[in-house]
Amino acid sequence: KQEVTQIPAALSVPEGENLVLNCSFTDSAIYNLQWFRQDPGKGLTSLLLIQSSQREQTSGRLNASLDKSSGRSTLYIAASQPGDSATYLCAVYNSGGGADGLTFGKGTHLIIQP
Amino acid sequence: IAGITQAPTSQILAAGRRMTLRCTQDMRHNAMYWYRQDLGLGLRLIHYSNTAGTTGKGEVPDGYSVSRANTDDFPLTLASAVPSQTSVYFCASSPTSGNTDTQYFGPGTRLTVL
Repeated sequence: KQEVTQIPAALSVPEGENLVLNCSFTDSAIYNLQWFRQDPGKGLTSLLLIQSSQREQTSGRLNASLDKSSGRSTLYIAASQPGDSATYLCAVYNSGGGADGLTFGKGTHLIIQP
Repeated sequence: IAGITQAPTSQILAAGRRMTLRCTQDMRHNAMYWYRQDLGLGLRLIHYSNTAGTTGKGEVPDGYSVSRANTDDFPLTLASAVPSQTSVYFCASSPTSGNTDTQYFGPGTRLTVL
């Protein structure tokens, strides 16, 4: 059974810092890995999707990397802003059979201090 | 463009009652999903549908049923609600079965079973 772990569970940093969120998964047989953002009381917003054949994806100040063989992904946020405060979720889409859906980590709760 | 709508926004339900959570998307996506989000457990897949007329079980399907009579709608039914089904329920969709596509999430339904 796929398990996704996110470290740290919570992070508080001053505005302007660059930061890295970590995600690991136990089964490397994945189609893709996705990073989402969730604001309090809201649904999930997709940030980046990395296909299993890709190494990284970039969108604005966000950069996500994928090392499928080691079961790791990182989300790099450059020049953090208070508006980046949210919970960030990592999820993988498995290719090894079973249900067709995402397996999620429990998230990293990020606070950017003004 | 509305994307994904869910109804109701929130509901308090007596144990033993039947309840249907509604989900509608206007993006003509083939695949749809239901997840539940619980504190400390993260999001878990309940049921999914890769295309109209087909459904499948996710990680936590017991006590829930779904139908997919058409492309746009994917209702989730609790036949006889129990307190452990208290959760926030998210509906999601993707253009295809998700192994290459981003999943788009609705705003969620907060359900409390007493």
